[in-house]
Amino acid sequence: ELKVEQNPLFLSMQEGKNYTIYCNYSTTSDRLYWYRQDPGKSLESLFVLLSNGAVKQEGRLMASLDTKARLSTLHITAAVHDLSATYFCAVDNSGYALNFGKGTSLLVTP
Amino acid sequence: DGGITQSPKYLFRKEGQNVTLSCEQNLNHDAMYWYRQDPGQGLRLIYYSQIVNDFQKGDIAEGYSVSREKKESFPLTVTSAQKNPTAFYLCASSMFGDNRFFGPGTRLTVL
Repeated sequence: ELKVEQNPLFLSMQEGKNYTIYCNYSTTSDRLYWYRQDPGKSLESLFVLLSNGAVKQEGRLMASLDTKARLSTLHITAAVHDLSATYFCAVDNSGYALNFGKGTSLLVTP
Repeated sequence: DGGITQSPKYLFRKEGQNVTLSCEQNLNHDAMYWYRQDPGQGLRLIYYSQIVNDFQKGDIAEGYSVSREKKESFPLTVTSAQKNPTAFYLCASSMFGDNRFFGPGTRLTVL
């Protein structure tokens, strides 16, 4: 069974600081997704990482994938309040099923 | 404007009642999915469908049923056999192996 673990599960950080969220998974996969969820809302796609070494950046967020280590990271640079949300990683299990981590609840404070 | 719609946004169910959640997409995607989200949890797959008239159980299919009579539509029925149905239900669609696009969700509460 493919297991996906995120850490930390809760993160409170000050505006302007940097931090990294980690996503480990248990079996081979070369396709990983990052989503953002605001309270009471649906999931918004952030990044799709399709191969080993893939790196994608959008604004203050940068995601990377190391398929050999079975690890993806979501790096936050100079955090701002608008980034407060829950971030999920999800690993493609079979082309149809996605296994999700439990999410990282991020709160950016002044 | 392409997208996924879900209705209703909020749904209340009495004990022993079956309810149906609607999901429609106009993205011409082949695959559709139903996920359940509980507080503090990630999403868990209930059912998915790759093509019309075909669907597969996910990790937590017990107490749920689906149909896929049209490419655009993938309704989910929460039956009375589902003992703890209170949750946020998300429908998604994709082409095979591609990114999933999620609908706005239905919040189901048991009275």
